[in-house]
Amino acid sequence: SQTIHQWPATLVQPVGSPLSLECTVEGTSNPNLYWYRQAAGRGLQLLFYSIGIGQISSEVPQNLSASRPQDRQFILSSKKLLLSDSGFYLCAWTGFPSGANVLTFGAGSRLTVL
Amino acid sequence: AQSVTQLDSQVPVFEEAPVELRCNYSSSVSVYLFWYVQYPNQGLQLLLKYLSGSTLVKGINGFEAEFNKSQTSFHLRKPSVHISDTAEYFCAVSDNSNYQLIWGAGTKLIIKP
Repeated sequence: SQTIHQWPATLVQPVGSPLSLECTVEGTSNPNLYWYRQAAGRGLQLLFYSIGIGQISSEVPQNLSASRPQDRQFILSSKKLLLSDSGFYLCAWTGFPSGANVLTFGAGSRLTVL
Repeated sequence: AQSVTQLDSQVPVFEEAPVELRCNYSSSVSVYLFWYVQYPNQGLQLLLKYLSGSTLVKGINGFEAEFNKSQTSFHLRKPSVHISDTAEYFCAVSDNSNYQLIWGAGTKLIIKP
């Protein structure tokens, strides 16, 4: 079976500090990987998606970056956090066997920037 | 461009009463339709999906949704809700050209005892 892991689950960081959120998928190969953000009271915002190692598409210009160093690993980073980066970050994947259209989400990482 | 509208930001309903959460999308071209549920402080979980075939789709936890092409709607229903259904529900649409999902703003289902 397939599983998706996200960590850390909760993070409190000062403004200007760096960020690294990690996501790994098990039980499948060559998944499409996604980073979403939910800000308080707002819907889902797609930040980045990746169709393969080293291939990253950015949907929204911002203070964040993403990398995919391995087939099933997706990392969300920032060099200097802003207050507006606070939110609930969700990693997700699509691919075999669920299908290209079906997103499977991780449990999320809640980031508070103070 | 495709858009998804969930008209109700919150829907309060008494326990064991029926509920309908509304979802409308903008484009009438071939689409795939989804409902996801998010329990407090958790990730999203797929409730049900429409890809093709029967327009009435049954999902987990007793939910179902009906695809109405003429009205471009995909409303979610449950005949009798339980306190454990308290969550936020998201409708999403993709066309079969790029598989990118367009999300609605979400509807919070509030169950009153």
